[in-house]
Amino acid sequence: ETGVTQSPTHLIKTRGQQVTLRCSSQSGHNTVSWYQQALGQGPQFIFQYYREEENGRGNFPPRFSGLQFPNYSSELNVNALELDDSALYLCASSLPGGATGELFFGEGSRLTVL
Amino acid sequence: AQSVTQLDSQVPVFEEAPVELRCNYSSSVSVYLFWYVQYPNQGLQLLLKYLSGSTLVKSINGFEAEFNKSQTSFHLRKPSVHISDTAEYFCAVSSTGTASKLTFGTGTRLQVTL
Repeated sequence: ETGVTQSPTHLIKTRGQQVTLRCSSQSGHNTVSWYQQALGQGPQFIFQYYREEENGRGNFPPRFSGLQFPNYSSELNVNALELDDSALYLCASSLPGGATGELFFGEGSRLTVL
Repeated sequence: AQSVTQLDSQVPVFEEAPVELRCNYSSSVSVYLFWYVQYPNQGLQLLLKYLSGSTLVKSINGFEAEFNKSQTSFHLRKPSVHISDTAEYFCAVSSTGTASKLTFGTGTRLQVTL
């Protein structure tokens, strides 16, 4: 059983650019959530996808968008990057419906915006 | 909306000493509570959770936490820590209706030394 994998692990962008982060969920998990973890902070909920539909969104602007594919993998896209977008982006998958609340996290993609 | 407060950003402790990491939450609805651990350069892993039933929950590696509804707390304890327990610990809360959408605290860095 493979765990949650994310790519790329590290990347550097400049202000105004766009970035796409990718996530493969754990086998059997159809719910994927994305979190932003700024340095020294706890993860903050960006949004969740369930069966290819957005299923809840945190307090993030529309330039943060996502997709979920039929195989339950997911992408996070961020447009018009700002310096404050520098953070570790965590993807987490969960069991169908996520009823137990247990999230399985990947190791994250560390984004640096210069 | 929920919020989580972890008052201690760092907790230094000697090996084999007891430790308590404090967590208080705020919510207007029924909640689920979680402790996640993050080892250096790794994603978050679930340590233990409270969904319902007994208010005292335990992990396989000796940690325990008690849900106290009147005090809105979910403190994490271990009677005797090991060097390998050095990590960042995050308390998280979700409403029972949206179990997989977590609100995290800012984390407590547990530093165990000889």
